[in-house]
Amino acid sequence: SAVISQKPSRDICQRGTSLTIQCQVDSQVTMMFWYRQQPGQSLTLIATANQGSEATYESGFVIDKFPISRPNLTFSTLTVSNMSPEDSSIYLCSGQVDEQFFGPGTRLTVL
Amino acid sequence: GQQLNQSPQSMFIQEGEDVSMNCTSSSIFNTWLWYKQDPGEGPVLLIALYKAGELTSNGRLTAQFGITRKDSFLNISASIPSDVGIYFCAGPIQGAQKLVFGQGTRLTINP
Repeated sequence: SAVISQKPSRDICQRGTSLTIQCQVDSQVTMMFWYRQQPGQSLTLIATANQGSEATYESGFVIDKFPISRPNLTFSTLTVSNMSPEDSSIYLCSGQVDEQFFGPGTRLTVL
Repeated sequence: GQQLNQSPQSMFIQEGEDVSMNCTSSSIFNTWLWYKQDPGEGPVLLIALYKAGELTSNGRLTAQFGITRKDSFLNISASIPSDVGIYFCAGPIQGAQKLVFGQGTRLTINP
């Protein structure tokens, strides 16, 4: 089965800065998604990363705050912009082959 | 929108006991997925169910797709320490491939 890696695995950032998270799949996938998991909570979909076009965002998430790129069928990035402590979460990338499979997540702490 | 209600939220059991958790919705789902998340990791797919009434096993895990298509159950028999983690049900939002997740069931096992 396909494997997803994410970089960085964790980071501690200052408020007001931005962090870009990379997601790499070891095989081509048609669909890629980005999720947020706040401490002790379930997963919430941020957006669908579309190859070659703008991502499709869920209610409550906007492109200015969470710009997403997907230049090809194996790679995507999520940027968390102008961070505040409320952005402290685990950010998870997923790809779809039959069903969705997930990367290990990026644990972000904003001070 | 479609929501999944998962229960119980947490379970504290003795090693060797059987475990049962469930997921319900007011909406119909055509697919039910069960994931497990270990600390510091992304969710891993355990079982996928595609047909109402379907009963599927994966080792000591058994899951069922409810006849009404509005619920699903996951059972774990003879629990062992490595079963500790958070179990999530999930299903695709109708007409799309993006997933909605239940709140999760946190399983703790006393040796």
